[in-house]
Amino acid sequence: GAGVSQSPSNKVTEKGKDVELRCDPISGHTALYWYRQSLGQGLEFLIYFQGNSAPDKSGLPSDRFSAERTGGSVSTLTIQRTQQEDSAVYLCASSLRDGGTDTQYFGPGTRLTVL
Amino acid sequence: AQKITQTQPGMFVQEKEAVTLDCTYDTSDPSYGLFWYKQPSSGEMIFLIYQGSYDQQNATEGRYSLNFQKARKSANLVISASQLGDSAMYFCAMRGRGGSQGNLIFGKGTKLSVKP
Repeated sequence: GAGVSQSPSNKVTEKGKDVELRCDPISGHTALYWYRQSLGQGLEFLIYFQGNSAPDKSGLPSDRFSAERTGGSVSTLTIQRTQQEDSAVYLCASSLRDGGTDTQYFGPGTRLTVL
Repeated sequence: AQKITQTQPGMFVQEKEAVTLDCTYDTSDPSYGLFWYKQPSSGEMIFLIYQGSYDQQNATEGRYSLNFQKARKSANLVISASQLGDSAMYFCAMRGRGGSQGNLIFGKGTKLSVKP
């Protein structure tokens, strides 16, 4: 079956612009996660959604970052007024549920470059 | 707080030989899950293997096995009969089972290079 998909695969933007990154999880998966991978920081958790519950936003680095998940499926991560330190690969993952044994399956990522 | 430590930034192995990638963890949760992911140069994170803290047997998945030593808080990945395609970054990760934290905590990774 189809895996997690993300778009765009690459995004180059200018400092101060807003960007939107999209994630389409595996069909039927109720939990969706966003992570960021950068050279200096490794893999960092940003936010996750589980069903209709309020999202866990504890990993968002600043209020310039926000995310939404419409209809329990597709999610959009928005970064406002981008900064150079936002340059990273943004990875989305989904799992069937949000249980400890549930494997998270990752998409190919969006590479964001802020000039 | 939960923490994952991978002490080997890089490893080399000869093709067809076995290799062990180290992972130690720290958690106060009595129940937890441990995961290994592979990230080739293409960038996608590929799930390899899972070990639950109460599992009696070490997990195995094809050429991958997990050497789980609970008392030592270690969950080393063993790759048998290495292949050139195994060259990649390998990440150990943990999450709390049943806890409010749904996200994975990752180690910094080990870069494995398989030599022909």
